[in-house]
Amino acid sequence: DAKTTQPTSMDCAEGRAANLPCNHSTISGNEYVYWYRQIHSQGPQYIIHGLKNNETNEMASLIITEDRKSSTLILPHATLRDTAVYYCIVRAYSGAGSYQLTFGKGTKLSVIP
Amino acid sequence: NAGVTQTPKFQVLKTGQSMTLQCAQDMNHEYMSWYRQDPGMGLRLIHYSVGAGITDQGEVPNGYNVSRSTTEDFPLRLLSAAPSQTSVYFCASRGQGANEKLFFGSGTQLSVL
Repeated sequence: DAKTTQPTSMDCAEGRAANLPCNHSTISGNEYVYWYRQIHSQGPQYIIHGLKNNETNEMASLIITEDRKSSTLILPHATLRDTAVYYCIVRAYSGAGSYQLTFGKGTKLSVIP
Repeated sequence: NAGVTQTPKFQVLKTGQSMTLQCAQDMNHEYMSWYRQDPGMGLRLIHYSVGAGITDQGEVPNGYNVSRSTTEDFPLRLLSAAPSQTSVYFCASRGQGANEKLFFGSGTQLSVL
């Protein structure tokens, strides 16, 4: 699976959009981009994933560049409860069910009042 | 649904003791896995299972045993605990589809003295 690079930490003002970047310059055509987050010491929580197209759900939006070498997770209106470590993960699709997720160190997002 | 349930939440062991960390899920997920997380680090995969009777090693399997006798349960055994196994342990499960969400338990904080 391709490696990812994320900033170690970021701050965001409460109510503003949080834009979390992820670089995955070695990504290949069949690799998906996943985002999870871990609030305090809880288990990680799925946020969103995508392959080529931009994706949006009730939690966030995922913007993937046309060359797929980077992506941005957008939390449109950050709240204090969004303070967490955000993990960007790239994984290959190798048949239904047969894949693992590798979690790096992620980005520590601090939402500031 | 309770989701993924881990017990105990906290455990202190002496070096050389054995114990089993329990993990159960009620979502009928075929895939289950165990991760460990050391302070300031990402999660590292210990063992995983794609169904009852099938287990495989992850990134850091040494010192740990697993078995999968039922779909619901995936216990992690430490046969002879070592201080290097002090960590937070997370169990996770997901369906077997191509892009299933990984659901995590709340974790077990283990200290080995």
